[in-house]
Parts: sequence; C-alpha cells; structure tokens
Amino acid sequence: NAGVMQNPRHLVRRRGQEARLRCSPMKGHSHVYWYRQLPEEGLKFMVYLQKENIIDESGMPKERFSAEFPKEGPSILRIQQVVRGDSAAYFCASSAGTGRNQPQHFGDGTRLSIL
Amino acid sequence: SQELEQSPQSLIVQEGKNLTINCTSSKTLYGLYWYKQKYGEGLIFLMMLQKGGEEKSHEKITAKLDEKKQQSSLHITASQPSHAGIYLCGADSNTGNQFYFGTGTSLTVIP
Repeated sequence: NAGVMQNPRHLVRRRGQEARLRCSPMKGHSHVYWYRQLPEEGLKFMVYLQKENIIDESGMPKERFSAEFPKEGPSILRIQQVVRGDSAAYFCASSAGTGRNQPQHFGDGTRLSIL
Repeated sequence: SQELEQSPQSLIVQEGKNLTINCTSSKTLYGLYWYKQKYGEGLIFLMMLQKGGEEKSHEKITAKLDEKKQQSSLHITASQPSHAGIYLCGADSNTGNQFYFGTGTSLTVIP
C-alpha cells in the first residue's frame, strides 16, 4: 500500500522536550500538507510544502513549530519545547499537484500526548 | 479565512434509512471535497466536486454542489453501520495554498 505514511502513530513527550513527526507522501506526490486536530475540534490547516520549499505556513504557530520537506526523505513537523496545549492529532496529507482541485490523501495521523 | 458550516452536527439513524448532510461555505467555493473519518484514524477521500450543479456518486453515497448557494450536500441511501463516522467537507482557498475543513457531522447508524 503506497499511501501516506506517518510515524510514529503515537508519541509521548514531557513538557519542554522536542517532538518530531514524520510524513512520507504517496508515491508520485510532491505536495505535502500538515493539519492539527485538537480534542473536540476540527482539522486546522498548518502548513503547505513542496520539495525543499514552504509555500504557505499561515496556519503554523509563530514560535516553536517548524516544518520541512527535504529533497530526500520524509517531511518533518518539529515542535520544540512542547507544552500541554500541543497535545493533539497531527495529520499529514499529500497531493499530486497544486492545491486547487487536487484531492489530498491523508495519513493515519500522529497522536501527540504531552505529560 | 473561509468557514465551512456543516449541519447537522450529529446524526443518529436506523440502518436502512436515508440521510443528508449539508455543507455551507462563507465564501466562493473553488472546489469542494468530502471526507470520512473514523475515530482514531485518518481521513478517507470520498469525492471531489468542481463545478456548479455537479453530482457524483460512490456506492450509496451521492454528493452535489450548488455553487451559487455556496453549498454542497452529501446523501446516503439505505445507510449501513459501515457508514458510521465523521463526515467532513473541505474546500480550497482562492490561492489553492490552504485548505479548510468543515465543522464535521458525526453519523451513527443503529443496526
């Protein structure tokens, strides 16, 4: 199955630690999106990347959060100095082309818990 | 930013019944998508609607787009327990760089 792969599925961190979430897009997809789903809330767009470029990061918190999609390897969402409020499910999606009218295909998510 | 309001928020139906979920956008729609999410899992892409009046079907699920009203509806015929989950509509931003999700509709189908 060449779907969107996210790992780890579950991640537990203590406050102040760093969290790294990985996403490998579907084969042939070069566009990656990250979303956050807080408990009892909907999915919120965070960032849109293409290979080696951040296209739109308007949904990313200004501090502690960063994302990259290197030429080789998976896309990484990095959260530094995690706080309790970062506990959420983080979903990655990929598409074959530019955002509009291109369906995004989602991974199963990474559930981040902050102790 | 674009807001997508879904109704109803939750729905409980008896197996075999038909149901409709609505999605209304606060802004012009540039493409409307329907996804399904089961608890603890990722989203499954159901359908994409691009043009006003467009209607698509997948098995017992039909979706329509009314571009003028900035609305879409998802209709399930003869619902089954396997249809249970959270249905989400989604839309592209006018730049195509961002994507917005609706508030979600939780569907429970009672056998």
